[in-house]
This record gives sequence, structure tokens and C-alpha cells, in this order.
Amino acid sequence: SSELTQDSAVSVALGQTVRITCQGDSLRRYFASWYQQKPGQAPILLFYGKNIRPSGIPDRFSGSSSGKTASLTITGALAEDEADYFCNSRDTSATWVFGGGTKLTVL
Amino acid sequence: QVQLQESGPGLVKPSETLSLTCTVSGGSISSDYWSWIRQPPGKELEWIGYISDSGSTNYNPSLKSRVTISIDTSKNQFSLTLDSVTAADTAFYYCARMIINVAAKMGWFDPWGQGTLVTVSS
Repeated sequence: SSELTQDSAVSVALGQTVRITCQGDSLRRYFASWYQQKPGQAPILLFYGKNIRPSGIPDRFSGSSSGKTASLTITGALAEDEADYFCNSRDTSATWVFGGGTKLTVL
Repeated sequence: QVQLQESGPGLVKPSETLSLTCTVSGGSISSDYWSWIRQPPGKELEWIGYISDSGSTNYNPSLKSRVTISIDTSKNQFSLTLDSVTAADTAFYYCARMIINVAAKMGWFDPWGQGTLVTVSS
């Protein structure tokens, strides 16, 4: 079981904004990184640290962190954003843990 | 840019050892950390562990007794062995480069290999 908690499923209307959250005590000490995984594909990095996006990641994806909650926000969701989203961070024992994942449906 | 590719048997018998290799191209393995992550079909990701270019390792406590990650910098490869496998070890296995910035309190996995499905069955 994950020490990082995510909602199992979230939906958003096409073009609207959605926030996906990740909660855990370890997030008070270490930033989360976020990954998008589409069916049959490997995860890709969306952002890490204080909202640092790798090149090629659209700026409609953004991140934030407060206390024990890290958030991924998609501003103006597209149909292609329908995917699973996972957070990851370092836990108190210096190992790394993933959240259980959030399945995003774009309506 | 750096690319990773997993290779190894897709079928392993119960109680035997799972062995996978990740080949890194487009860059040197002699920096950063190199990680294994797995995902049972339809389930969440699980971090298995990582190795540094100098050979220091860090493993998931839940797998530590059965896992070994090694590195061969001359071949630009790193490997995973998992002993005494059961059906619960059936999963997609991914290798990934891991970058850790302790001072900035962040770490991330990028890029990832395409993954390889390993099934444990007799």
C-alpha cells in the first residue's frame, strides 16, 4: 500500500480545469514528481520540484505543493490528457514511493 | 538524448530467479542513479530500487531480501535480479534514470524504458 494517497478517479469536462492531489507526510520534507501514463505506454515525467517541467511538456500542466499535499493542475484539459497520473516522493526511510494513481477521464 | 531498453525473459517459473538488463544509449551511465520500477497489470507503480554509478544501492524494504541491482559501466548497462519469485511478482518492469537533488529536496525519474512484461508461471 502507498504512503502517498491519491484519488482513484477524477473527471473533467473538455476545456475545463482539474486538480489532482497527492497526500502524504513525506511531502512536508521532499517535493513530489508527477508522471502521466497512457494505456500500454511507459510513464513520462510531467514535472518535479517547484513546478519544473521538462522540455516538451505543455504549460497547461502545472504543479504546486503545500504542507503534506502536492497538486497537479491541468488548465484547459484536452481529450489527449485522459490517462493515469502518479505522484512520487522520498519517504522518511530514504526510499521512494509512488501514489496509487489517479485515472483522469475527460468528458 | 538518453534512451533505456529493458531485456530479459518474459516468463519465469515460480521459485526461480528473475533477471533483467537495462541498456542505456545516447549518454553515459557514469553519473546519476539508475532505477527499477514495476507495475502489475492494471495496478500502481512500485519502486524496486536504484544503483549509483559507483555501485551504491538503495532498495525498497519490502523487496530488499530478494533484490540485487548491479551495474556494468563498461557496457552502459545495469541489471536486476529478483530471487524466489511468485505469481505476485508478475508485472511490467521498467528501468529509468533517476536524478536526485538532495539540497533541493527533490528527485525524479526520466527517461523511462518502454517496459517489459514478466510473467511468473509454471
